[in-house]
Amino acid sequence: DVQLVESGGGLVQPGGSLRLSCAASGFTFSTYWMSWVRQAPGKGLEWVANIKQDGTDQNYVDSVRGRFTISRDGARKSVYLQMKSLRVEDTAVYYCARGLSDYGDIFHDSWGQGTLVTVSS
Amino acid sequence: QSALNQPRSVSGSLGQSVTISCTGTSRDVGAYNYVSWYRQDPGKAPKLIIFDVSKRPSGVPDRFSGSKSGNTASLTISGLQAEDEADYHCSTYAGAYTFLFGSGTNLIVL
Repeated sequence: DVQLVESGGGLVQPGGSLRLSCAASGFTFSTYWMSWVRQAPGKGLEWVANIKQDGTDQNYVDSVRGRFTISRDGARKSVYLQMKSLRVEDTAVYYCARGLSDYGDIFHDSWGQGTLVTVSS
Repeated sequence: QSALNQPRSVSGSLGQSVTISCTGTSRDVGAYNYVSWYRQDPGKAPKLIIFDVSKRPSGVPDRFSGSKSGNTASLTISGLQAEDEADYHCSTYAGAYTFLFGSGTNLIVL
């Protein structure tokens, strides 16, 4: 079974940094783009970033570009989200999700359980 | 990169049909046949229920159907059941390997 397990969330002050991790198992990690999607309290989902299978291409939503960096480690089958200069409005549950694939999948078919990031003083 | 527009809530009676709309623009929903829909129960992760506008993953009942016309996609749930009560989110491929999600719709089964 596909499993995505996020970790690294927590409480951080505005302007601070945090690194989220997502450990993947149960599928061929190297054949999928991986995304981070967030959900602010009581709000809808927001796609944040994704990274290509070999890590050579990364894309970001405008509101985090320049502050967040997505990366991946094929040997560890993990994807990361380094978040800097955090703002109150970055407060959300952050989900790791499996995205675009070598098989033509253009949707997110598997999701982790999410990790909560709270930005507050 | 604006969120796709969905009604905040919709309601329907047991056994009836409801349709949830998802409105974007000619640069996203209207440009690609890559709309997907997700169901989300409170405190849980989203679950894919429709992809490529109208296709269902294995295990999703055929009571769930998707369609698209112009810049608006729709999710229709027929034969409403109590367990269908949840939040529903649409998403679309938006070009250059980016995605957009909708604002989410709470379905209430009366």
